[in-house]
Amino acid sequence: GENVEQHPSTLSVQEGDSAVIKCTYSDSASNYFPWYKQELGKRPQLIIDIRSNVGEKKDQRIAVTLNKTAKHFSLHITETQPEDSAVYFCAASWSGGGADGLTFGKGTHLIIQP
Amino acid sequence: NAGVTQTPKFQVLKTGQSMTLQCAQDMNHNSMYWYRQDPGMGLRLIYYSASEGTTDKGEVPNGYNVSRLNKREFSLRLESAAPSQTSVYFCASSEVGQRDYEQYFGPGTRLTVT
Repeated sequence: GENVEQHPSTLSVQEGDSAVIKCTYSDSASNYFPWYKQELGKRPQLIIDIRSNVGEKKDQRIAVTLNKTAKHFSLHITETQPEDSAVYFCAASWSGGGADGLTFGKGTHLIIQP
Repeated sequence: NAGVTQTPKFQVLKTGQSMTLQCAQDMNHNSMYWYRQDPGMGLRLIYYSASEGTTDKGEVPNGYNVSRLNKREFSLRLESAAPSQTSVYFCASSEVGQRDYEQYFGPGTRLTVT
């Protein structure tokens, strides 16, 4: 089955700086890569996703890049703000998440220092 | 439009007791999922239902059973609870299609087995 590794487990950055979280996956058939943000005691919520036919996708301060050859993808957050503090999860799926579910990484606790 | 709802929100069981976690969605999604979330482990797929009438095992199905009651409802049953099943359980749903791959999560059920 699919295996997703996520690094780092904890990331502390100064407010206004950029944050980068990296994930690798094992199944070359995977074709859908979402990122979820989870605040303490809340449900995971999708913040951005990318499909395998796209190399990069951007939404305001958030961007995701995908390298299918190397089987890794990254989340980039620019101009970080206090409300960005949360746990972020990457995930992978081979069927667009519609049929077989998502395989998640173990999460990155992002801390924004004022 | 409530999205994905789960009951109960909290539950404490004694070892050996049984219970059913309920999940319902009002988005007319075909696919539904059950995940468990343990500290430091991310979310792990227990069972999923790609469409009404079908269910399949995920990564960690042992000790659980599921029922896709209809298109809206997907329940998770613990027949004989064990302390290792102490976790937060999330139900999710998505549409199997070409446009929207997003999985929408419910608020979670926090289960403690003593």
